[in-house]
Amino acid sequence: AQSVTQLGSHVSVSEGALVLLRCNYSSSVPPYLFWYVQYPNQGLQLLLKYTTGATLVKGINGFEAEFKKSETSFHLTKPSAHMSDAAEYFCAVSESGSARQLTFGSGTQLTVLP
Amino acid sequence: DAGITQSPRHKVTETGTPVTLRCHQTENHRYMYWYRQDPGHGLRLIHYSYGVKDTDKGEVSDGYSVSRSKTEDFLLTLESATSSQTSVYFCAISGEVSGSGVYNEQFFGPGTRLTVL
Repeated sequence: AQSVTQLGSHVSVSEGALVLLRCNYSSSVPPYLFWYVQYPNQGLQLLLKYTTGATLVKGINGFEAEFKKSETSFHLTKPSAHMSDAAEYFCAVSESGSARQLTFGSGTQLTVLP
Repeated sequence: DAGITQSPRHKVTETGTPVTLRCHQTENHRYMYWYRQDPGHGLRLIHYSYGVKDTDKGEVSDGYSVSRSKTEDFLLTLESATSSQTSVYFCAISGEVSGSGVYNEQFFGPGTRLTVL
């Protein structure tokens, strides 16, 4: 069975500082990995995904994530936080070849301080 | 944005009443999903569909049923609503795996906030 752990349910950073949101997963087969963002009272929007190939994945809004198989991690980073980045972020995993079911982490609420 | 609508967007109902939520897509995607979102739990899969009349249970299916009679519509029914079903419900869709074998991500609707009193 697959699972996702997001370390830190709340993260605060200053505007212009590095954003680092942590995600670790477990999967018995090669995983597909995703980061989604949710703004208040909205649905989830895909930030980036890893399926195969390059392990450093670039997404929208300046975010990127690196798949590290040895650490079973897929941490999300952004070099310089902007006020508009304040939102909740979800990491998700799907097993390749599965019936396309996503398993989500419990989410990390990002606050950006002026 | 993917063409996904959910109705109603907000609903307040009483314990024991039946409730049906509708998800409608205009993308002609094969797969459709219902999730619920609760604080501290992220999103949990209730049911999903892999084609017309083809559905299966997810992680938290007890107390819920679904139907899909057309490609574009996926209905979620609470036969007898309980207060534990107060939540935000999201519908999602995804398409066929492409020729390269790459997984297609899920696209989410705007959500339905359901309150069961």
